[in-house]
Amino acid sequence: GESVGLHLPTLSVQEGDNSIINCAYSNSASDYFIWYKQESGKGPQFIIDIRSNMDKRQGQRVTVLLNKTVKHLSLQIAATQPGDSAVYFCAENMKTGGFKTIFGAGTRLFVKA
Amino acid sequence: DTGVSQDPRHKITKRGQNVTFRCDPISEHNRLYWYRQTLGQGPEFLTYFQNEAQLEKSRLLSDRFSAERPKGSFSTLEIQRTEQGDSAMYLCASSLGAGENEKLFFGSGTQLSVL
Repeated sequence: GESVGLHLPTLSVQEGDNSIINCAYSNSASDYFIWYKQESGKGPQFIIDIRSNMDKRQGQRVTVLLNKTVKHLSLQIAATQPGDSAVYFCAENMKTGGFKTIFGAGTRLFVKA
Repeated sequence: DTGVSQDPRHKITKRGQNVTFRCDPISEHNRLYWYRQTLGQGPEFLTYFQNEAQLEKSRLLSDRFSAERPKGSFSTLEIQRTEQGDSAMYLCASSLGAGENEKLFFGSGTQLSVL
């Protein structure tokens, strides 16, 4: 992942609108991708995952899209709620190098009531 | 609450002192991971265990850092001769260890401040 220092990319949305958070990953060998949500004072929490043989996966209010051609991952949150306010991280597992998960830079989501 | 607990939640120490953190993973999880997170960054991999075996360590992990998981259950991370640059959130995570690709369950972390 890329370092963004102290200034996380920020997305501000109105409550009820849809949110789209984007992520570029670096390793063509990655075969498993995960989105995590991190609230203040807590560790990251799993949201949704997708394997490299898929291009879309849907959860309850979330959808993950994978574009392997351009190494791009996105998280779509439908009908965003105040409780969705957090930092969102994309993460990848490579096919080689053991079972470690590598995190990208996060995006801070603000939901305006 | 994910079921992964870390202790202490906060640690303030003076430069040069040693510190030790503890992680209790979810009981049936075979894999345990340590990550470090600084403000505005994603978690950075440090090391992981499969049961009691430490299978991988990051090149970022200097020889001042040591981790153990003696009985394949809880783990400790020790930092010797702490430096101000060690100030960070230290996160522990666990996973079932049944497959190649698994989601991680994180604890709430130990926030270390080195003065």
